[in-house]
Amino acid sequence: DAKTTQPPSMDCAEGRAANLPCNHSTISGNEYVYWYRQIHSQGPQYIIHGLKNNETNEMASLIITEDRKSSTLILPHATLRDTAVYYCIVRAGGVTDKLIFGTGTRLQVFP
Amino acid sequence: GAGVSQSPRYKVAKRGQDVALRCDPISGHVSLFWYQQALGQGPEFLTYFQNEAQLDKSGLPSDRFFAERPEGSVSTLKIQRTQQEDSAVYLCASSLAGTGARQPQHFGDGTRLSIL
Repeated sequence: DAKTTQPPSMDCAEGRAANLPCNHSTISGNEYVYWYRQIHSQGPQYIIHGLKNNETNEMASLIITEDRKSSTLILPHATLRDTAVYYCIVRAGGVTDKLIFGTGTRLQVFP
Repeated sequence: GAGVSQSPRYKVAKRGQDVALRCDPISGHVSLFWYQQALGQGPEFLTYFQNEAQLDKSGLPSDRFFAERPEGSVSTLKIQRTQQEDSAVYLCASSLAGTGARQPQHFGDGTRLSIL
């Protein structure tokens, strides 16, 4: 079962910041938080990941709360091409290191 | 290309036929994963390879599903005697290292399989 909880859908105006929340209250100390997105008819695209510190790359920022029980993915200036399903995944590594996807958040960016 | 490549992009088969789906991972990537994605759902894990070794096949739904990666590079997912419930998008992903949560998995665009 997925270890994360996300809202099923969100809207965002083009040019504004999109803030996508994720709850992972049962996360363990060695588990990473990963974010992927999936645009229609494409495979999931890696966005960003983090353990406990906030992270930023060219695509997004990841803010992880101090207790690590929740996180927020921030797309600073959303564009229409950011319309997609966003998946928050808690990943432990281990022998298999498989990803366990939930149902994600469907982000709709409107003009 | 630089990404994970899957072929065919679309496959239509009659119920009872065998199908083979191919995955070309990113060059040098040790780990390879297969996932199955039903319509409206997130991808679900099928199986995992580290080089040529299949270390986890716990997600394969039945013994009709078989995967191989004989030379530690290209992988093939085979489904025998296909059923309508096998209709889904089959995704392949690869990552650089053998294990470790610091290495992101990179996905192909999948094969959409339709069983008539």
